[in-house]
Amino acid sequence: EVQLVESGGGLVQPGGSLRLSCAASGFTFSTFEMNWVRQAPGKGLEWVSYISRSGTTIYYGDSVKGRFTISRDNAKNSLYLQMNGLRAEDTAVYYCARARGLGGDAFDIWGQGTMVTVSS
Amino acid sequence: DIQMTQSPSTLSASVGDRVTITCRASQTITNWLAWYQQKPGKAPRLLIYKASNLESGVPSRFSGSGSGTEFTLTISSLQPDDFASYYCQQYNRYFVTFGQGTKLEIK
Repeated sequence: EVQLVESGGGLVQPGGSLRLSCAASGFTFSTFEMNWVRQAPGKGLEWVSYISRSGTTIYYGDSVKGRFTISRDNAKNSLYLQMNGLRAEDTAVYYCARARGLGGDAFDIWGQGTMVTVSS
Repeated sequence: DIQMTQSPSTLSASVGDRVTITCRASQTITNWLAWYQQKPGKAPRLLIYKASNLESGVPSRFSGSGSGTEFTLTISSLQPDDFASYYCQQYNRYFVTFGQGTKLEIK
């Protein structure tokens, strides 16, 4: 079964750090571009970051640029999001999502999400 | 950034109705548009990609159309399972943006 499973969410104080992980299974992870998307409570979807198959091309949304770092380990079939300098407005469910094709594409597989709460 | 404007924000309809949701892009995105369905507490589900292509496993009552800056998602005959939120997404560039969402409610 094609699957993405996120982990690493939790409660963190403002200014703190957290590292999210996304474990992929059921497909050849190294051949797909990956993304992180988040959703604040009761709000819509916000794209966070993109990483190419090799990890050499990376993009970020303006709201997280300079604070978040996306990475991947193809040998471990895993995607990561290192989040530093967390703010209350970063509180959200974070999803990892697979792009269905290359060069920027729709997201065909999503994880179940992991909740990040930034609060003192 | 490319802004995506969805309308309506909320839509009340009955089982069997035909409904249409509209998404407008702030600049042309050719046909690099997707539609997603999301139910409470669940991850989004891809319905339509490249404006009009039905994702595998998605019922044929869902259809998408449009190009350039104007796009629509149509559900031909609403089923009880279709009451959910719907989002459009442009992926013309790697800097993806989503519409603000449409909540489809039972009338």
